[in-house]
Amino acid sequence: LAKTTQPISMDSYEGQEVNITCSHNNIATNDYITWYQQFPSQGPRFIIQGYKTKVTNEVASLFIPADRKSSTLSLPRVSLSDTAVYYCLVSNNTDKLIFGTGTRLQVFP
Amino acid sequence: ETGVTQTPRHLVMGMTNKKSLKCEQHLGHNAMYWYKQSAKKPLELMFVYSLEERVENNSVPSRFSPECPNSSHLFLHLHTLQPEDSALYLCASSQGRGLGYNEQFFGPGTRLTVL
Repeated sequence: LAKTTQPISMDSYEGQEVNITCSHNNIATNDYITWYQQFPSQGPRFIIQGYKTKVTNEVASLFIPADRKSSTLSLPRVSLSDTAVYYCLVSNNTDKLIFGTGTRLQVFP
Repeated sequence: ETGVTQTPRHLVMGMTNKKSLKCEQHLGHNAMYWYKQSAKKPLELMFVYSLEERVENNSVPSRFSPECPNSSHLFLHLHTLQPEDSALYLCASSQGRGLGYNEQFFGPGTRLTVL
C-alpha cells in the first residue's frame, strides 16, 4: 500500500524560511503532488501543486527532485499566522488520492 | 467563507441512532467528496461523486451511506455507528472529473461523537 509520510512537527521563528518534506517512494508516473494547509476547526486549504522540478506561487514553492520520491514545500519568511498543519497529497486522475500524515508547524515570535 | 458549508458542525449520537450529515457547495463544481479525519491519522477518502455519479467507494462500511441528489448537495447517512467512527467528517468539492488533479475546496467539517 502506497504511503505518504511527513515529519510530525516542526518549529520555526517569524521571518525564517521553512521547508517541509514529504516522502512518497511509491509515486507513479501519472501522480501529482499537492500541498494543503489546515487550521484548527477548518477544512484543509489548497497551497500548491506540481508534477516535477519547481513550482512557485504567491505563497509557497514546491521542489520535486528528478526521481519524484519526495517533495519539499518551502514557505518563505513565515509569520505567526502560518502556524497550522500541512498535508501533502499524492493523487492521480482515476483511483488514487493519498494524504500524508501531516506536519504541525509552530511559528514563534 | 469557503463556498462549502456543512451542517451540523457538531453531532453526538448513540450507536442505535440514525442521522445525516449535509454538505452544500456554492462554487458551481461538479465533483464532491466525503473524507474522514481521525486523530493522528491521515485524511481518508470515503466517497467521491462526479456529475452526481459515485466514482469511488474506498471500501467504506455500509453503515455509512452517501447520497448526491444534485451537483450542489451531498449527504452522508449514518446508522448503527461504532465509537471508533467518532471523527471529523469533511466535505470537499472540485471542478473537473479528475479525482485528485483538481484543487479541492473543503468545508469546515462535522465533528461526530458516537457514544
